[in-house]
Amino acid sequence: GIQVEQSPPDLILQEGANSTLRCNFSDSVNNLQWFHQNPWGQLINLFYIPSGTKQNGRLSATTVATERYSLLYISSSQTTDSGVYFCAVDYQLIWGAGTKLIIKP
Amino acid sequence: NAGVTQTPKFQVLKTGQSMTLQCAQDMNHNSMYWYRQDPGMGLRLIYYSASEGTTDKGEVPNGYNVSRLNKREFSLRLESAAPSQTSVYFCASSVGPLDGYTFGSGTRLTVV
Repeated sequence: GIQVEQSPPDLILQEGANSTLRCNFSDSVNNLQWFHQNPWGQLINLFYIPSGTKQNGRLSATTVATERYSLLYISSSQTTDSGVYFCAVDYQLIWGAGTKLIIKP
Repeated sequence: NAGVTQTPKFQVLKTGQSMTLQCAQDMNHNSMYWYRQDPGMGLRLIYYSASEGTTDKGEVPNGYNVSRLNKREFSLRLESAAPSQTSVYFCASSVGPLDGYTFGSGTRLTVV
């Protein structure tokens, strides 16, 4: 089956910093989504992005399907950005292990 | 607009007991899903329903059954709970399998 790897596993930043999270996948996919799981466990869909680039406020994402990776950019980080960011791919979603992001005030 | 509603939020079961987790969505989505999340890991698919009247196994279906009661509701049943089923369970829905997913707030289940 498809393997999904996310990096880095952990990231600690000061408020205001920028960050890039990476998602590599082992085969071509028809579906790629980024999620944020906040410290209370709630999962929020950030982007549905099987290819191309999308932006939503301080967050943007790029998927290069031919090279089998996706990047999530967070600019001007805020403490509320803390949590775990997951990449999930393909039908019914296969999930990576996530990147745990901690933003310090 | 409630989105995806799961009940209960917390549950403790004894080994061998049964229970049903309920999920309802009010977004007129066709597809619904049940996942489990173990500590420090991503989610794993238990069962899904691509459309009303259909259900299919996911990655980890053993020990579970599901019912797509109607377009809005998709329930997950544990017939004989085991400690290995201690986990957080999430229900999700989407217009179709290639559309953005909306998740419920989760059910934290402990089997002792």
